[in-house]
Amino acid sequence: GQQVMQIPQYQHVQEGEDFTTYCNSSTTLSNIQWYKQRPGGHPVFLIQLVKSGEVKKQKRLTFQFGEAKKNSSLHITATQTTDVGTYFCAGPFQGAQKLVFGQGTRLTINP
Amino acid sequence: DVKVTQSSRYLVKRTGEKVFLECVQDMDHENMFWYRQDPGLGLRLIYFSYDVKMKEKGDIPEGYSVSREKKERFSLILESASTNQTSMYLCASSNRQWYQETQYFGPGTRLLVL
Repeated sequence: GQQVMQIPQYQHVQEGEDFTTYCNSSTTLSNIQWYKQRPGGHPVFLIQLVKSGEVKKQKRLTFQFGEAKKNSSLHITATQTTDVGTYFCAGPFQGAQKLVFGQGTRLTINP
Repeated sequence: DVKVTQSSRYLVKRTGEKVFLECVQDMDHENMFWYRQDPGLGLRLIYFSYDVKMKEKGDIPEGYSVSREKKERFSLILESASTNQTSMYLCASSNRQWYQETQYFGPGTRLLVL
């Protein structure tokens, strides 16, 4: 079945350092979505990428969708304590109305 | 603002009990989903529904059933709770064109089965 792999599982950084999480799909995706879950909270939608090679920015967050539409990345520049949480990527499963989520990357930050 | 509510934030049940988890969304979304979240395993889809009285199995449906009698409400049922069903349960909803719309999550129910 379709799988979405996400690495790393955990990442601890000093405040101000950069952070990147990577997402790889076993199949070509029509789009990819990113969600953030704060500690004790629920996943909240961040962004959706649709086009091959697409790059989108939200302030210090940069999202990329690979040329082959099988991988994606989220990069945070100069992390802040508000960035703490778990970041999930998710892609649609072909022919079915559901998303397949990666395992998530849990980001912790040393202030 | 889309709002997805879940009946309980925390729930403690005993092995063998029948458990009902309720989810209500107020945005007239067609699609609703139940996930469970466990450390290191991410979000795993249990069941989803794309219309009233319609349901589809997700990746881990064993031990669960669902009910969708009204569009805004999607219930997850544990017929006979077991300790391995201790988990965080998340409900989500989305518009019919799910692949172009976000999923909106409820606050989650943390279930402990003793």
